[in-house]
Amino acid sequence: QGQLVQSGTEVKKPGASVKVSCKASGYSFTSYYIHWVRQAPGQGLEWMGIIHPGAGSTSFARKFQDRLSMTRDTSTSTVYMELYGLRSEDTALYYCARATRTGYSWFDPWGQGTLVTVSS
Amino acid sequence: EIILTQSPATLSLSPGERATLSCGASQSLASNYLAWYQQKPGLAPRLLIYDASSRATGVPDRFSGSGSGTDFTLTISRLEPEDFAVYYCQQYGSSVTFGQGTRLEIK
Repeated sequence: QGQLVQSGTEVKKPGASVKVSCKASGYSFTSYYIHWVRQAPGQGLEWMGIIHPGAGSTSFARKFQDRLSMTRDTSTSTVYMELYGLRSEDTALYYCARATRTGYSWFDPWGQGTLVTVSS
Repeated sequence: EIILTQSPATLSLSPGERATLSCGASQSLASNYLAWYQQKPGLAPRLLIYDASSRATGVPDRFSGSGSGTDFTLTISRLEPEDFAVYYCQQYGSSVTFGQGTRLEIK
């Protein structure tokens, strides 16, 4: 089935960047796309982007295209999401989630979430 | 971008009752590429339904999905206490977008 385990809580100042990790286990890491989704406090789910862990190719939602990066380390089965130029409205829970081999699909499983707080 | 609109925003029902949650898409979804998730406080979303009507592994059969094109429904046939949560629909026919959620609360 597989499991995704994310890094811990982050507190950042406005203008800084944050890098969140998502370690996969229990399945073929390079065969399944990983997506990132965020959830602001008390709000709904917002899709950020997708990475193919095998090829390293990425695609981002338009609103994040100029300040989002996704990378992967196949030796540790880990993907990384880095968001630059943080502002208070980036305060949210950030989730990684596995899609199917085709890329755009339902998400299962999800990581446990990483809280990122942006505050001066 | 495909916009998903969920209704109602809040649904108040009692255990044992039937729940019907709706998700409308701004454009017809290719191959009915729609999923439903349940989210409880402090937890990640849990996949319930994919491809509009296929139940995910381990999901009780009181949960069912239906619909096609632009109109989709999640039905919980007989509510259990653990079913009270927030439910989201997601489309993956054209990139990915989520609905704003329906909160299912105990009446």
